[in-house]
Amino acid sequence: DAGVIQSPRHEVTEMGQEVTLRCKPISGHNSLFWYRQTMMRGLELLIYFNNNVPIDDSGMPEDRFSAKMPNASFSTLKIQPSEPRDSAVYFCASRRDREVAEAFFGQGTRLTVV
Amino acid sequence: QKEVEQDPGPLSVPEGAIVSLNCTYSNSAFQYFMWYRQYSRKGPELLMYTYSSGNKEDGRFTAQVDKSSKYISLFIRDSQPSDSATYLCALWNTNAGKSTFGDGTTLTVKP
Repeated sequence: DAGVIQSPRHEVTEMGQEVTLRCKPISGHNSLFWYRQTMMRGLELLIYFNNNVPIDDSGMPEDRFSAKMPNASFSTLKIQPSEPRDSAVYFCASRRDREVAEAFFGQGTRLTVV
Repeated sequence: QKEVEQDPGPLSVPEGAIVSLNCTYSNSAFQYFMWYRQYSRKGPELLMYTYSSGNKEDGRFTAQVDKSSKYISLFIRDSQPSDSATYLCALWNTNAGKSTFGDGTTLTVKP
């Protein structure tokens, strides 16, 4: 298995632009997570889905952030409009099901908003 | 106050040293206790997990949980330069279906 696949690996964009991050979870995994990692705040959970349904989005910082999971093999995290403080590494992770603790992380997308 | 507090580090040790990494937590609902290792510019990967109080050993790594004190530790024996990474504790709440991570401790093992 190729693991969790994220794209792009790096993104540099100007303030105010829309940014879309993409994730393909491991086949057969029912739970998907989006995390943001910064030096100041560590690894923060933004949102997680179970069976393509958003279960907890309490970590989404504000309305500029939105996430979708149209099917079991694809999810997006969108930031519109982007701001410099959104600069971070964004990770997607998947888990086999709700009863299993282990999550498998992708390589991350390093976002820089200038 | 954060639900999970991790010793911030960074930590620098000579090769062969014993390393102790620690986290404390406040929520008794956490049921699984995990340690992830994250190499530079990579995603975290699960190193060990345990469910109950006590010790769990895997090679040079030992995970220790004390539920009464709400304290977890990871010990690395005979540390190697390849152990240089950031180590994150993660505590899983079955009811909520999600993990809460510590901020991570960056370890450097010098040859």
